[in-house]
Amino acid sequence: DAGVTQSPTHLIKTRGQHVTLRCSPISGHKSVSWYQQVLGQGPQFIFQYYEKEERGRGNFPDRFSARQFPNYSSELNVNALLLGDSALYLCASSLGGYNEQFFGPGTRLTVL
Amino acid sequence: LAKTTQPISMDSYEGQEVNITCSHNNIATNDYITWYQQFPSQGPRFIIQGYKTKVTNEVASLFIPADRKSSTLSLPRVSLSDTAVYYCLSSPDKLIFGTGTRLQVFP
Repeated sequence: DAGVTQSPTHLIKTRGQHVTLRCSPISGHKSVSWYQQVLGQGPQFIFQYYEKEERGRGNFPDRFSARQFPNYSSELNVNALLLGDSALYLCASSLGGYNEQFFGPGTRLTVL
Repeated sequence: LAKTTQPISMDSYEGQEVNITCSHNNIATNDYITWYQQFPSQGPRFIIQGYKTKVTNEVASLFIPADRKSSTLSLPRVSLSDTAVYYCLSSPDKLIFGTGTRLQVFP
């Protein structure tokens, strides 16, 4: 069975640009969550979507936005990139509720 | 939001049992305790989840006392491949990660 997939795997951008990261959940999973992981720290919760509606938002600025499509895939958008946005961006999918979350391999974003 | 506290790092040798304790004093009634494992440059991987008493699966055991203010992840007979960061979480769906426990297993 295919796991959670994310694209691209690596990305290099410059300050002020915007970026779109993509995530495809495990088949049958309706919940997708996004996390940012800076080197040496644990993942930080950004967004959670369930059935195409936002279920939660972490403490991130409005430059960060996301959406979930009818096929349950998801995009994370970050505008006006800052050097501090350089991180590993992780997507996780689950059936929802208290069920186990399955993480993708992540997208490594470098902002120069 | 519930917070957890766990040791920053632990060392062990191959074949030993490793117990990592996590404190979650403010755990809510509907919170489950979940442990994840993460290798460098990979996403976290679910290990085990429980609500109370003891849960065991093929890779670990989770011990939760009656007051649920702490939990202990037990890894039997660790190997070098168990070297990783282990996270304890107590929020049910919006996972709140701390800094985790960096376990180093030596030969």
